[in-house]
Amino acid sequence: AQSVTQPDIHITVSEGASLELRCNYSYGATPYLFWYVQSPGQGLQLLLKYFSGDTLVQGIKGFEAEFKRSQSSFNLRKPSVHWSDAAEYFCAVGAGSGGSYIPTFGRGTSLIVHP
Amino acid sequence: DTEVTQTPKHLVMGMTNKKSLKCEQHMGHRAMYWYKQKAKKPPELMFVYSYEKLSINESVPSRFSPECPNSSLLNLHLHALQPEDSALYLCASSQGPADTDTQYFGPGTRLTVL
Repeated sequence: AQSVTQPDIHITVSEGASLELRCNYSYGATPYLFWYVQSPGQGLQLLLKYFSGDTLVQGIKGFEAEFKRSQSSFNLRKPSVHWSDAAEYFCAVGAGSGGSYIPTFGRGTSLIVHP
Repeated sequence: DTEVTQTPKHLVMGMTNKKSLKCEQHMGHRAMYWYKQKAKKPPELMFVYSYEKLSINESVPSRFSPECPNSSLLNLHLHALQPEDSALYLCASSQGPADTDTQYFGPGTRLTVL
């Protein structure tokens, strides 16, 4: 079975600083990997996804992530954080199951942005 | 239009009440999902509908009853809930049930069971 580990429960950065959120996955085959963001009381919004091809994936809001098979990682990065990026971030790995898509989410990392 | 709508936004109900949550999408998606999310936790998958048929039920108690009347609409009927069922209930949809399809989430219904 697939699993996702987000080792950091909270990350605090200053506005304008760079950001890296860690994600490690466990899956037997080539994984489908996703990063979602959730603002308080809201649904999840997809930031980016990796299925195959170029291991550096560009997403919305200036985010990018790099797939590293050797490290089983899919870390999310942003060069300069804005106060509006404060939210909960979820990494997920997807796998098919009888034709249906079953995502497995990490526990989430809460991003706090200081002015 | 990449929007999934959910109603109501908030719901407070007693343990003997019967209520329903509604989810709607007009993107032509053929897979729809219900998730439950407790505070500070990731979403937990409850049900998956694929082409209007229930394809996955993640061992959810029978007090939760999903229904998919048509390809655009997904309901979750609630009856005799417990206080521990209080959570954010998220609906999502995707083009199809393939594992490469992106899920689009609604804003959720905040449910409180008294």
